[in-house]
Amino acid sequence: SSELTQDPAVSVALGQTVRITCQGDSLRSYYASWYQQKPGQAPVLVIYGKNNRPSGIPDRFSGSSSGNTASLTITGAQAEDEADYYCNSRDSSGNHGVFGGGTKLTVL
Amino acid sequence: QVQLQESGPGLVKPSQTLSLTCTVSGGSISSGSYYWSWIRQPAGKGLEWIGRIYTSGSTNYNPSLKSRVTISVDTSKNQFSLKLSSVTAADTAVYYCAREYLYYDSSGYYSNWFDPWGQGTLVTVSS
Repeated sequence: SSELTQDPAVSVALGQTVRITCQGDSLRSYYASWYQQKPGQAPVLVIYGKNNRPSGIPDRFSGSSSGNTASLTITGAQAEDEADYYCNSRDSSGNHGVFGGGTKLTVL
Repeated sequence: QVQLQESGPGLVKPSQTLSLTCTVSGGSISSGSYYWSWIRQPAGKGLEWIGRIYTSGSTNYNPSLKSRVTISVDTSKNQFSLKLSSVTAADTAVYYCAREYLYYDSSGYYSNWFDPWGQGTLVTVSS
């Protein structure tokens, strides 16, 4: 399968914890990578591999995986975390890239 | 640190060929085991992977675009390029170039990620 499925929108109260999920068959053999995109800006990598953060990404961002579902968790969401979040992996063949449809995160 | 920059016409006529170049600075496009990729995003929509080229020159393309896409690399200029033929209004989007890394974990999982990305360039298909 070459699809990754995300909830279109999620909201969280300021300072609370939110989980954004991504489902797909390829996630049984791939860890998802996660990207944050703010309006008018290029996507930024926030999580890759089992649970790795690039330099400069706050430690409130974490990743996990179980079966065909990958999750991005923000512990203590901040106003600046309001953005679109995309998951990515390759498809099960390993030949093609695939992105989830994106989740719009609103911080209330 | 490696930086990527897209360049090319911002306006392309329908049925013509869209051509974009991504210039890599701060490192050699030939070094390391990286894949060099193109990704696009129509206004208000999600990200769509277009294709990639490996440092060896091998390519992979999105099956939905495969008949119209060509990605090539010019190591002497530290650039890679995208050509998309027979464009229509549906190809109007912000086009990003990005470096992809693929890693095989000892636990039996693969990981792939795109970093860094170019700033993106808007290409409009219109007569």
